[in-house]
Amino acid sequence: NAGVTQTPKFQVLKTGQSMTLQCAQDMNHNSMYWYRQDPGMGLRLIYYSASEGTTDKGEVPNGYNVSRLNKREFSLRLESAAPSQTSVYFCATILIYEQYFGPGTRLTVT
Amino acid sequence: ELKVEQNPLFLSMQEGKNYTIYCNYSTTSDRLYWYRQDPGKSLESLFVLLSNGAVKQEGRLMASLDTKARLSTLHITAAVHDLSATYFCAVDLREYGNKLVFGAGTILRVKS
Repeated sequence: NAGVTQTPKFQVLKTGQSMTLQCAQDMNHNSMYWYRQDPGMGLRLIYYSASEGTTDKGEVPNGYNVSRLNKREFSLRLESAAPSQTSVYFCATILIYEQYFGPGTRLTVT
Repeated sequence: ELKVEQNPLFLSMQEGKNYTIYCNYSTTSDRLYWYRQDPGKSLESLFVLLSNGAVKQEGRLMASLDTKARLSTLHITAAVHDLSATYFCAVDLREYGNKLVFGAGTILRVKS
């Protein structure tokens, strides 16, 4: 039982490049979330999906797009990466009252 | 807009001492979470507090929730080095799809 998995673990991009961060969960949960973590700021919600086929903006959605491909997978896309998007990205899912977090993707944009 | 404030943001303490981390939030919520994060790692759930007056304890950590005061505390008793980590509180906005709003985190260093 892997729980929540994320790929890649690390990525370095040049400004303007695009990439997709992948997240998958094997817990059959409906809700999935993307957060970013920056030093001194805690985690901030980028997008979330309450169920397959639905997505909604969180606190900091600008510069990102998401796709809820099916119940298992929720991807985050950076169309044109900027240095301000250097961060650690966490995917999460929820069971009743608890959120479970993936291991994170450390992204650096130069 | 919901704000979640933790204090202190950095705490250096000696082994064996007691201390409390505070988490204040600005809107009505009856669900609050505490997480632990070790350097380079993901978040580990410590406590889920679901109602006013809720108190939970695990080892040397005890968390409580006062929804009227919009305040949660994480109390550390007789700290040990293994408790060194960053601790986050987060408030659940249930009416917005269970979104969590996080505090900035408290970096705890326990010195031997």
